Amino acid sequence: SQQGEEDPQALSIQEGENATMNCSYKTSINNLQWYRQNSGRGLVHLILIRSNEREKHSGRLRVTLDTSKKSSSLLITASRAADTASYFCATDSYSGAGSYQLTFGKGTKLSVIP
Amino acid sequence: AAGVIQSPRHLIKEKRETATLKCYPIPRHDTVYWYQQGPGQDPQFLISFYEKMQSDKGSIPDRFSAQQFSDYHSELNMSSLELGDSALYFCASSPYRGQGGYTFGSGTRLTVV
Repeated sequence: SQQGEEDPQALSIQEGENATMNCSYKTSINNLQWYRQNSGRGLVHLILIRSNEREKHSGRLRVTLDTSKKSSSLLITASRAADTASYFCATDSYSGAGSYQLTFGKGTKLSVIP
Repeated sequence: AAGVIQSPRHLIKEKRETATLKCYPIPRHDTVYWYQQGPGQDPQFLISFYEKMQSDKGSIPDRFSAQQFSDYHSELNMSSLELGDSALYFCASSPYRGQGGYTFGSGTRLTVV
C-alpha cells in the first residue's frame, strides 16, 4: 500500500540553486529515510531521520521531519549537475510480530541544469 | 565492505517462461526483502523473510514465490511471466527484521518480451 507521497513529482533547477522535495505519509513510523536513484540504477541510501528527531544534516543535505503533520522534506543546497536523479522517501514502520517494513513514496525526479 | 549481491544483473525472458532471481545478503543479516520497481514507478514491497521463514507479504502475485535458504540467501521464483513483470527487482537485507537498517543490492533488471 502507498505510504509516502512526494511532491513535486518533477523539479528542474539551475546548478547552484537549492532543491526542496517533500514527502507525506499516513501511518506512524519508526524512521524515515531518503534514497537516491540514478536512472535505472540501484537505490542509494542518503540519510535517515528517526521519529524523535526533527532535523538532520549530512553534507549538502538537510532533512526535516514533522511527525504531527506526517511530513518530511529533503533540501539539497548548492545543487550540482551530478545531483540529477530521482529521490525517494521511504518510511520504516512496524508491521507486526516484531518486524519492520520499508515503504517507498513515488519519488521526485530532479534535473539540475548546468 | 561486503554488500548485497544480486544475480543476474540483467535477464531477458519470453512470455510464459520462468525466471529465478537470487539475492545474497550482507553477512550476519538474517532478514531479506524483495521489491519490484516498474518503469517510472516507486519500489513496491513484495515479500520478506526472517530466519528462513516468511515474515511479511506485500503485493506479490500468486505466480511468484520466494524462499530463504539456510545460508540466508534468497531466491525469487517467477512463473508464467507476463510483459508487465518487466521491472527492476531489488533485494535488501537487514539485521533482525529491519531493526538495524536496510542495505539494497544493485537490482536485477528483468525484461519480458
